[in-house]
Amino acid sequence: EVQLVESGGDFVQPGGSLRLSCAASGFTFSSYEMIWVRQAPGKGLEWVSYINRGGDIIYYADSVTGRFIISRDDAQNSLYLQMSSLRVEDTAVYYCARRHSRFGGVWGQGTMVTVSS
Amino acid sequence: DIQMTQSPSSVSASVGDRVTITCRASQDISIWLAWYQQKPGKAPNLLIYSASNLQTGVPSRFSGSGSGTYFTLTINSLQPEDFATYYCQQANDFPHTFGGGTKVEI
Repeated sequence: EVQLVESGGDFVQPGGSLRLSCAASGFTFSSYEMIWVRQAPGKGLEWVSYINRGGDIIYYADSVTGRFIISRDDAQNSLYLQMSSLRVEDTAVYYCARRHSRFGGVWGQGTMVTVSS
Repeated sequence: DIQMTQSPSSVSASVGDRVTITCRASQDISIWLAWYQQKPGKAPNLLIYSASNLQTGVPSRFSGSGSGTYFTLTINSLQPEDFATYYCQQANDFPHTFGGGTKVEI
């Protein structure tokens, strides 16, 4: 069964850091491009970041550029999102997804990040 | 960044109705548009990709059309399980922006 499981969400103070992980199983992780998408409480979806199969082509939303770093470890079948200089407005459920024809085809269940003092 | 505008933001409908949701892009995105369904507390689910391609396992009552800047999602014969929020997303240029969502409710 194709599965993505996010972890690492937590309560953190503004200015803090957090590393999210996304564990993949049931498919050849190295063959797929991956993305992160987030959703603030009661709000819509916001695309956050993209990484290609080799990990050498990366894009970010303007709102996180310079603060978040996406990476992958194909040997560990894992995707990561290193988040620093966190702001209250980064509070959201963070989803990882496997791309399908440029879009999010398979999604994880999400992990909650709360940034508050 | 490309702006995606969905309308309406919410729609009231009944079981058996036909519902159409529109999505407009601020610039030409060719056919690089997807539709997702999201239910409360759940991850989004891909329904339609590349404007009109039905994702595997999605019921045929869902259909998508359009190209360029104007797109539609149509749900024929609305079923109880279709009451949810629907999002469009463009994938022509990074960042791959989403529309604001359309809530389909009773």
